[in-house]
Amino acid sequence: GDSVTQMEGPVTLSEEAFLTINCTYTATGYPSLFWYVQYPGEGLQLLLKATKADDKGSNKGFEATYRKETTSFHLEKGSVQVSDSAVYFCALNRGTGNQFYFGTGTSLTVIP
Amino acid sequence: DGGITQSPKYLFRKEGQNVTLSCEQNLNHDAMYWYRQDPGQGLRLIYYSQIVNDFQKGDIAEGYSVSREKKESFPLTVTSAQKNPTAFYLCASSIEGRLNTEAFFGQGTRLTVV
Repeated sequence: GDSVTQMEGPVTLSEEAFLTINCTYTATGYPSLFWYVQYPGEGLQLLLKATKADDKGSNKGFEATYRKETTSFHLEKGSVQVSDSAVYFCALNRGTGNQFYFGTGTSLTVIP
Repeated sequence: DGGITQSPKYLFRKEGQNVTLSCEQNLNHDAMYWYRQDPGQGLRLIYYSQIVNDFQKGDIAEGYSVSREKKESFPLTVTSAQKNPTAFYLCASSIEGRLNTEAFFGQGTRLTVV
């Protein structure tokens, strides 16, 4: 069945460090891929998305590229800030049945 | 502004009681979902609905019930049969049947059994 696997956390980085959070997926067909961010005590917010192979989603300095050959959608940011501290979820949607599949989330803490 | 509203934000339940969590959306979305989130864990699907008057069980439906009488509303009842209900509950909605559509989330309800 469809699934998403994220790197285990927690991740702690110093401000201005480079961030990578790995995400791989298993799905038939051509799913859409998403990264969501969750701040403490809040719901999930869409961070970025990509809907076909080789698409790059980007927002607020974050980027992720849909790599069908490696079934991956790794999240990257060149210089993290303290305000980026949150939990990040990778997700996919195949459209049919409209079910979303989420990874287990990766907690990021950025220290000054 | 369009969005999803969950209420209440915090809810306390005594053991043996049923409680209902509200979820309303004005995005005109057909599909709605309920997820449960436990500390340090991901989202687990409780129920989802693709159309009014129809819904399907997710991975952890036992001890929960839902209704979908209106397109805008998808309330979740946590029954006394749910043995460990303390968790953070998230409601979401999306356009039905569209591959490139994202899910929109409410702010969540934190349920605590006292």
